[in-house]
Amino acid sequence: DAGITQSPRHKVTETGTPVTLRCHQTENHRYMYWYRQDPGHGLRLIHYSYGVKDTDKGEVSDGYSVSRSKTEDFLLTLESATSSQTSVYFCAISESGFGADETQYFGPGTRLLVL
Amino acid sequence: QKEVEQNSGPLSVPEGAIASLNCTYSDRGSQSFFWYRQYSGKSPELIMFIYSNGDKEDGRFTAQLNKASQYVSLLIRDSQPSDSATYLCAVNQGAQKLVFGQGTRLTINP
Repeated sequence: DAGITQSPRHKVTETGTPVTLRCHQTENHRYMYWYRQDPGHGLRLIHYSYGVKDTDKGEVSDGYSVSRSKTEDFLLTLESATSSQTSVYFCAISESGFGADETQYFGPGTRLLVL
Repeated sequence: QKEVEQNSGPLSVPEGAIASLNCTYSDRGSQSFFWYRQYSGKSPELIMFIYSNGDKEDGRFTAQLNKASQYVSLLIRDSQPSDSATYLCAVNQGAQKLVFGQGTRLTINP
């Protein structure tokens, strides 16, 4: 497995509370991504980062923010969790380039339940 | 119209047969195509990528790409029960981003 860890692996929280998920990589890859995976929707991109302090929105970014202060860490924050944000969250990393270098490698995932 | 479409299945194939998984995409500018396998409760893992028209073989897996018709397929020969999983097709969208299909659930019956 690529050196990607996510924490926590499981979390139960209440509506309205802030939640931060952490992705840590040891591969020194430039790009990092946050996805959510829900039945019937597949993997959807929330935010991604193309370098330290460089981030951009994906297709489902509302209600989420991200930060990347170090190459190895990418944080996803749910500013005020809602039940619709109950999901499995995956972090992924990739090098920069074309073809094989575009391959994204996934972390183990975080299961989030918002009550 | 979804950007990357896959038949969600389930697709049921007898052990030892060929499993054929298909994916169509809408962006004619896409250059790179990926197949991932995801076991239940696990994260997606790369099977193979392809970016040239034609076939690419890796062991029991063959990816086929036809850019003119905008489809990419994955063939699994000599299917094994351990191949039972959800298969995700991903297409690059420029700027190091991938768009994923919903996935096809494949079941190999012993």
